[in-house]
Amino acid sequence: RKEVEQDPGPFNVPEGATVAFNCTYSNSASQSFFWYRQDCRKEPKLLMSVYSSGNEDGRFTAQLNRASQYISLLIRDSKLSDSATYLCVVNSGGGADGLTFGKGTHLIIQP
Amino acid sequence: DTGVSQDPRHKITKRGQNVTFRCDPISEHNRLYWYRQTLGQGPEFLTYFQNEAQLEKSRLLSDRFSAERPKGSFSTLEIQRTEQGDSAMYLCASSGQGYYGYTFGSGTRLTVV
Repeated sequence: RKEVEQDPGPFNVPEGATVAFNCTYSNSASQSFFWYRQDCRKEPKLLMSVYSSGNEDGRFTAQLNRASQYISLLIRDSKLSDSATYLCVVNSGGGADGLTFGKGTHLIIQP
Repeated sequence: DTGVSQDPRHKITKRGQNVTFRCDPISEHNRLYWYRQTLGQGPEFLTYFQNEAQLEKSRLLSDRFSAERPKGSFSTLEIQRTEQGDSAMYLCASSGQGYYGYTFGSGTRLTVV
């Protein structure tokens, strides 16, 4: 099983709709979780951290389910500018300080 | 200093040649990371520095790869005897204390022909 798994998509969603995607991780000792956004041929940029109690930033809501080892990202009232690849990222702590990235979920918002 | 800088942005090299990339992190960040990303994949961890100490290296970092951060500021990543499979985007990131996410540079896109 891969460390971080995501549905690669693409998810084709009409503008204004709500879209959600999940990510599963294999290391139960994982301590920190993030969603990054990556535009085509650009570097990844931190979208939001994911906290145990769930957190919201504007139209974006992130949730963590430790028991089932998955993270979710919900985007409400989607905009054309939300089109990007969303990378699920996990830090396992301990001796492995590097973040482990999923392959990303490709989201296309259609007018 | 407004972000992480990487140089060059693009590099085309012939198979068998050596290449070196440079990364200048955000000045107050003591942690520096190198990642590699190929098309359709997420970034893959290569190595990590805290100040000048290289604390971890991935199995992906073969003996043809070497990274340094001699003064705890900028870092270099050298690939010797490049192979076509080395073609990828090489991303550098930096962070401060704690796991609060990284700031990535724009990357160096390597093409080995």
